[in-house]
Parts: sequence; structure tokens; C-alpha cells
Amino acid sequence: GAGVSQSPSNKVTEKGKDVELRCDPISGHTALYWYRQSLGQGLEFLIYFQGNSAPDKSGLPSDRFSAERTGGSVSTLTIQRTQQEDSAVYLCASSPPQAPRETQYFGPGTRLLVL
Amino acid sequence: AQSVTQPDIHITVSEGASLELRCNYSYGATPYLFWYVQSPGQGLQLLLKYFSGDTLVQGIKGFEAEFKRSQSSFNLRKPSVHWSDAAEYFCARGGSQGNLIFGKGTKLSVKP
Repeated sequence: GAGVSQSPSNKVTEKGKDVELRCDPISGHTALYWYRQSLGQGLEFLIYFQGNSAPDKSGLPSDRFSAERTGGSVSTLTIQRTQQEDSAVYLCASSPPQAPRETQYFGPGTRLLVL
Repeated sequence: AQSVTQPDIHITVSEGASLELRCNYSYGATPYLFWYVQSPGQGLQLLLKYFSGDTLVQGIKGFEAEFKRSQSSFNLRKPSVHWSDAAEYFCARGGSQGNLIFGKGTKLSVKP
């Protein structure tokens, strides 16, 4: 079946602009995770959804970051007033309901470059 | 704090040679443990996972890993490396929210 998909695959934006990153999880997967991969910080966990709710948003780097999930499926990660340090690869993963949530399948990522 | 350490940033092996990538985890009871591989420009692919039971875990692409509680380690091994194995390898453990906590990664280069 189809894997996790993310769009856009690449995004170049100017400092100060807002960006939206989209994740389509594997159909039927109830848990959804966002991670950020950057040269300096490695792979960082950002936020997790169980269904449409995010129990803990403390992993988001700043209040410029927000995320939502609708219909228990698609999720959007929004970065407002982008900064150069936001440049990274943003990875999304989903997890099936019958397995431990840590069993995660990753999308190809969105490469974000803030100029 | 929960953490994962991969001591080797970069390893080079000859094609056909054996491989061992090191991983240590810290804090608490036995966590869920994982190895992922990432090829350039690609996402993360799960190689294998350990939840409980047999401490020697078989994965895809001929990889295996051994969980050693006494050493807090979960090293990845392959008896004979192929040129296509060149990639970056990440060890991870489960976190408090079901998230994954990753090591910094080990880049594997393969010499012909």
C-alpha cells in the first residue's frame, strides 16, 4: 500500500514568511509524529497526534510552530515568520493502532530552506 | 534524561568485510530499541526493532542487532557489507510519548 507522503518535497522561502508542511499518513494509522532533522541538532521530536489531539506540544521549538490534524488523517505543520534556523528537513511518521506507537513509518520529508 | 549515543560519527569498511555499529542507551528500564537507515535525500527506513524476548534480532537487508542489558547496548551487525549499504544509520529508543529518541547517526562508507 501507499506509504507516508509529505508535501512539498522541497520549499524555499524568505525569512519572515509563513510556510505550511503537509503529511498524509498511511491509511488507518492512528498516531502521527513530526520530527525535524538538522545538521546541528540531529533528529528532534516535535509533536505527536493520537487521532486529532496532541497531548503535549512542548517539543515544538517556539510559539511560531503549530500543528493540527483533521479527520484523524492529514496533518499540517505551520511555521510562522520563518527564521534561517528553521531550515531543516521535516519528517512525518505514522504508526498503526495494533502496534506499539514507537513502530513508526516515515515519509520522505520536506526540505525547508529559509533564505 | 533518555538518550541514545552512537560513538562513531563515520565508519569506512571494505566491501565484503563485516560491520558493527555501536549504540548505547541511557536511563531506566529496557526501552524499545530500533535501527533505521537513511540514504542520501531519502527518509528513514526501519531495519529492525527490539521490544522484548530474544536478544538477537534479525532485520531486513541481512542486518541483525543484539540487545545487551548489562552494557545498555544495541549494536547493529552485518557479516558482509555490500556497496549499497553505504548510508547513514540511526539508533533510536522509545520515548515517553511513544516518540523516538535518536542518536546522532553513524555514516557508513564502503570501499570497493
